[in-house]
Amino acid sequence: GNSVTQMEGPVTLSEEAFLTINCTYTATGYPSLFWYVQYPGEGLQLLLKATKADDKGSNKGFEATYRKETTSFHLEKGSVQVSDSAVYFCALRYNFNKFYFGSGTKLNVKP
Amino acid sequence: EAQVTQNPRYLITVTGKKLTVTCSQNMNHEYMSWYRQDPGLGLRQIYYSMNVEVTDKGDVPEGYKVSRKEKRNFPLILESPSPNQTSLYFCASSQLGTSGINEQFFGPGTRLTVL
Repeated sequence: GNSVTQMEGPVTLSEEAFLTINCTYTATGYPSLFWYVQYPGEGLQLLLKATKADDKGSNKGFEATYRKETTSFHLEKGSVQVSDSAVYFCALRYNFNKFYFGSGTKLNVKP
Repeated sequence: EAQVTQNPRYLITVTGKKLTVTCSQNMNHEYMSWYRQDPGLGLRQIYYSMNVEVTDKGDVPEGYKVSRKEKRNFPLILESPSPNQTSLYFCASSQLGTSGINEQFFGPGTRLTVL
C-alpha cells in the first residue's frame, strides 16, 4: 500500500543551523509529494510541493527534491530561524485525490 | 477572508451519543476532506468529496459518515462514537486542478474526546 515515513523528532537546532528532515515514501505509480507545516494550535499549511520526478519544490527558504530512484523527498533549509519552529508533515497524493501523511516531525529552533 | 471553519472546536461526549462536526468553506472549492490526527500516526484521511453528492472513503472511514448536500458544507457524523475516536479532526478543502488536488486549505481543528 501507500505510505510515508518521516524521521522521528523532535529535532532541536540553534538559529542559523542547517535543517534536513528526511521523508521516504512507498507508492505505486507516480504520486505528487508535499510538505505541510503546522504551527501550534493551527491547521496545516502547504509549504511546498513537487509533482514529478526530479522536480524541486521551494518556498520561504525551504526546498525539497522529488527523487524517484530513492523514493525520497527530504526537506532542507540552509539557515533556520526561531519562527520556523513547528511540526512538519510530508505527504503524498495518490490517484488524483487520496492523501497519505507521515507522522510529522517537530522542529524546535533555539535562539 | 478565505477560510475553512469547523464547529465545535472542542467537544467532550460519551460513548454512543451521536454527534456532528460541521465544516464550511467560502472559497467555492470542489474538493473537501476529513482527517484525524493522532500522535505518532500523523494525519489519516477519513472521507473525501469531489463535489456535491460525490463522496468516497479514505483510509480510515469505519465509524464515520459524511454528506455533501451543498458545495460549501461537509459535515462529519459519528453515529455512535467510541473512545477510539478520541482525536483531533481537521477538515480541508481544495480546488480541483486538471492534474489533481494540490494545495489543501485546512480548518483550525476539532478536538474530540469520547468518554
